[in-house]
Amino acid sequence: NAGVTQTPKFRILKIGQSMTLQCAQDMNHNYMYWYRQDPGMGLKLIYYSVGAGITDKGEVPNGYNVSRSTTEDFPLRLELAAPSQTSVYFCASSFGQESYGYTFGSGTRLTVV
Amino acid sequence: KQEVTQIPAALSVPEGENLVLNCSFTDSAIYNLQWFRQDPGKGLTSLLLIQSSQREQTSGRLNASLDKSSGRSTLYIAASQPGDSATYLCALTSGSRLTFGEGTQLTVNP
Repeated sequence: NAGVTQTPKFRILKIGQSMTLQCAQDMNHNYMYWYRQDPGMGLKLIYYSVGAGITDKGEVPNGYNVSRSTTEDFPLRLELAAPSQTSVYFCASSFGQESYGYTFGSGTRLTVV
Repeated sequence: KQEVTQIPAALSVPEGENLVLNCSFTDSAIYNLQWFRQDPGKGLTSLLLIQSSQREQTSGRLNASLDKSSGRSTLYIAASQPGDSATYLCALTSGSRLTFGEGTQLTVNP
């Protein structure tokens, strides 16, 4: 029972490089989310998806892109990495019906130098 | 826009004390409220989920309440233990989004 799986767990990028953070869930959840958490702060929503083929911006989408080609996978793409993107990234999923809670992955710690 | 505030930002108590963490929100049109625990350098662990039609939920030494009319939720921890030391986050679902507070960092001293 894997739940939400994020890879990699840690990554160091140089300024201007690109990378994709992977997120997969095996609970047949419709809704998936990407959050970032800066030190000592709460979680800010980057992008979310309510189903395959449907994505929408959250609070802090600039510098990121997402796609949702399957129900299971929701990758987050960083183009032209900047030091301001140094953060911990969390992926989450839910059934999408509001009476259900959310399941979070264990996070990806990204440092841009 | 939903705004979520958690008070206090940090709390230090001796072992065995009962304590209350507070969460307030600006938009009462919520579907549910969830309390999470986060240990340093780790992910989020769900503690309690309160549906919008409910007023409280209990799990072991934890009790969470929800008062939508006043825009408040509380997390009550009974007989605190050093292992309860962590950051506690409340989060609300409204529309398609889950909005987080900035958390309360709890330290329980032996």
